[in-house]
Amino acid sequence: DGGITQSPKYLFRKEGQNVTLSCEQNLNHDAMYWYRQDPGQGLRLIYYSQIVNDFQKGDIAEGYSVSREKKESFPLTVTSAQKNPTAFYLCASSSLRPRDRGGETQYFGPGTRLLVL
Amino acid sequence: SQQGEEDPQALSIQEGENATMNCSYKTSINNLQWYRQNSGRGLVHLILIRSNEREKHSGRLRVTLDTSKKSSSLLITASRAADTASYFCAVFTGGGNKLTFGTGTQLKVEL
Repeated sequence: DGGITQSPKYLFRKEGQNVTLSCEQNLNHDAMYWYRQDPGQGLRLIYYSQIVNDFQKGDIAEGYSVSREKKESFPLTVTSAQKNPTAFYLCASSSLRPRDRGGETQYFGPGTRLLVL
Repeated sequence: SQQGEEDPQALSIQEGENATMNCSYKTSINNLQWYRQNSGRGLVHLILIRSNEREKHSGRLRVTLDTSKKSSSLLITASRAADTASYFCAVFTGGGNKLTFGTGTQLKVEL
């Protein structure tokens, strides 16, 4: 099966703790993205990466960190500096093929719900 | 910043009726996309319309784009209970190969 997997489905964070959310894709996509979704709201971009070993901040990067050591993997760490981490986190990928082939379309994982204890 | 604003925020219709939702955006775009999200799940891409296109169809979906008004609409015809979900528009401006998502319309189709 080709697709994007995220783990865990639910994650609990204690005060002052860093936690890491996993995102893996086997679609051979170049670009990967992390979004945060709060209840009843749209998606806000945290970080994105278009190539291995390179990534850029999105609109709400503060309190988060990422790495892109492999094409297939783009883990997100929610650090203790993120004071309001409770949200639904979505990972996505896209191929970045020439635009007339729809390479801008993003494929999403099932999400990780992060809760604070 | 969220560029897309969707209207209405919530929509409740009977099965068999048509559902129309609208999206407005602020800057020039390369294309506009619509996604669907079932409760507690990831998003699924529905349809993409480019800035030089005015209308596009896919099954029961019809999308229009008016770049002069910076707006788009998604029409779902002959709705089914299984269409119950949140629908998001997203604009692709080309810079950084990113999408900027709207706030979403929550559609409920009742039997």
